Amino acid sequence: DAKTTQPPSMDCAEGRAANLPCNHSTISGNEYVYWYRQIHSQGPQYIIHGLKNNETNEMASLIITEDRKSSTLILPHATLRDTAVYYCIVRVASDGATNKLIFGTGTLLAVQP
Amino acid sequence: NAGVMQNPRHLVRRRGQEARLRCSPVKGHSHVYWYRQLPEEGLKFMVYLQKENIIDESGMPKERFSAEFPKEGPSILRIQQVVRGDSAAYFCASSPTQGNQPQHFGDGTRLSIL
Repeated sequence: DAKTTQPPSMDCAEGRAANLPCNHSTISGNEYVYWYRQIHSQGPQYIIHGLKNNETNEMASLIITEDRKSSTLILPHATLRDTAVYYCIVRVASDGATNKLIFGTGTLLAVQP
Repeated sequence: NAGVMQNPRHLVRRRGQEARLRCSPVKGHSHVYWYRQLPEEGLKFMVYLQKENIIDESGMPKERFSAEFPKEGPSILRIQQVVRGDSAAYFCASSPTQGNQPQHFGDGTRLSIL
């Protein structure tokens, strides 16, 4: 699976949009981009995933560049409860694949009041 | 719908004892994954199971660790003769199929070895 690069930490003011970048320059054509977050002492929480089109759900938006070498997770109105470590993961998603997630070090997002 | 349920939430064992960690996947999910998070480290994949079959155990230590996902009942991660280095948070995740369906995680079992 492709390696991802994320900044180790970011700050965001409460109520503002949080934009978390991720580089995955060696991504393959059949690899999806997944975002998870882990709030202290809890299990990882799935946020969103996509292949090449931008995606939006009730939690966030995922913007993938046209060349697929990077993506941005957008939390439109960050709250204090969004303080967590955010993981960007790329993996093959097809029958026959092992489907394991390879977690990097992620980005610690600190939402400030 | 209930999410992934893990129990116990906290488990304390003495060195040399056995630890059994249980995971009930989301109802209808037939794929289960176990991950381990050592203190101050990231999550590491251990094993991937489908009902009654181990699909990928490439992340599981070769000795003392075993996993099963029987036809009926929860998935079990078993650690025999525990050592201090086994102290960690163990997370279970499940998904309905392979493909691009995301894995959903439980809140983990915190294992402490005295």
